[in-house]
Amino acid sequence: DTAVSQTPKYLVTQMGNDKSIKCEQNLGHDTMYWYKQDSKKFLKIMFSYNNKELIINETVPNRFSPKSPDKAHLNLHINSLELGDSAVYFCASSQDQAGGTDTQYFGPGTRLTVL
Amino acid sequence: DAKTTQPPSMDCAEGRAANLPCNHSTISGNEYVYWYRQIHSQGPQYIIHGLKNNETNEMASLIITEDRKSSTLILPHATLRDTAVYYCIVRPHTGRRALTFGSGTRLQVQP
Repeated sequence: DTAVSQTPKYLVTQMGNDKSIKCEQNLGHDTMYWYKQDSKKFLKIMFSYNNKELIINETVPNRFSPKSPDKAHLNLHINSLELGDSAVYFCASSQDQAGGTDTQYFGPGTRLTVL
Repeated sequence: DAKTTQPPSMDCAEGRAANLPCNHSTISGNEYVYWYRQIHSQGPQYIIHGLKNNETNEMASLIITEDRKSSTLILPHATLRDTAVYYCIVRPHTGRRALTFGSGTRLQVQP
């Protein structure tokens, strides 16, 4: 079974459309994340949820809205898509371990192309 | 999180040890050193982490200098499947949970 899964794997859409990317983890973790990897390959945190509560919200346009219906799911909805939103979006999850360290497990990514 | 500096690229012969350096001269006492890698078109993968002692697991070894200002990730017997971008990340064990990725080191394992 895949630990962190994302759907869809590829998403091609027109500017101005609204789209969602779904993420599910079956690891029982309590924290989930969305990262964005742009064309220059830099990976940046966008959002983090802990037990369904938003704990990190980086400087991301409010067209991006994460939603966590339960601990195992963190979906990303994007309104009014722009060309600059084209990127690979990675979902990840983690669980605090002894000593306060944790390991993040990443999904396979969703490649979003906005035309 | 403390800033890290890594060489942009390295080559290694298959079967030989790959030693990937990382400088983190501004690391503070409560910050851990983490290593992740990203194989082409895949999500990042955790490798190993440590605080001040050397660490070893089934994937790699992590050597941290006594002053903790630098570290080296060692892949003892590199294979072609180890070709990836390797990221050295320093972060505290409390507070912000997200990872701050730099540009990493692109390791090319040559046959």
